[in-house]
Amino acid sequence: DAKTTQPTSMDCAEGRAANLPCNHSTISGNEYVYWYRQIHSQGPQYIIHGLKNNETNEMASLIITEDRKSSTLILPHATLRDTAVYYCIVRSPYNQGGKLIFGQGTELSVKP
Amino acid sequence: GAVVSQHPSRVICKSGTSVKIECRSLDFQATTMFWYRQFPKQSLMLMATSNEGSKATYEQGVEKDKFLINHASLTLSTLTVTSAHPEDSSFYICSARDMEAGNTIYFGEGSWLTVV
Repeated sequence: DAKTTQPTSMDCAEGRAANLPCNHSTISGNEYVYWYRQIHSQGPQYIIHGLKNNETNEMASLIITEDRKSSTLILPHATLRDTAVYYCIVRSPYNQGGKLIFGQGTELSVKP
Repeated sequence: GAVVSQHPSRVICKSGTSVKIECRSLDFQATTMFWYRQFPKQSLMLMATSNEGSKATYEQGVEKDKFLINHASLTLSTLTVTSAHPEDSSFYICSARDMEAGNTIYFGEGSWLTVV
């Protein structure tokens, strides 16, 4: 599986946009970019995923560069409840059962 | 998103005993489920892939005889930690693949196991 690189931690002011970067320079053509987050002592929560087009849902937006080597997760108006570890994972949904391999993620702290 | 439920959320057992954790997909069928463990301040580590009606596929270094996985139906997978030891104390998390949602994977709430 392709590996991802994320900053270890980030801070964001409440009400501002949180932009979380992810590098995945070795992504292959059939791999998607997935984002999950884990709030302390809970199971990970699915946020969004994409292949090459930008995606938006009620939680976030995902911006993927044209060469697909990096992406950015955007939380448009961060709240204190968005404080969590955010994981960027590249995955082929159809190979090896489509398993998710987690890296270390980015610890996002939203501050008042 | 789809709902995955784990039970129990917390369990304490004595050394040498076995403990079973259940993982259910509540509103979708899952031919494939996954089991992870997570130690404090660390990321999730994939233990095994659970396949409905067949044997689980274990990741390298995970003892299949210690961590028994059964996936007897399309909505239920179980993880049994056999002959538990204090070092097995951890946060165990399951997930399930929703084929109707582009194979997106959804996670349960996790189960805290403490072996005393």
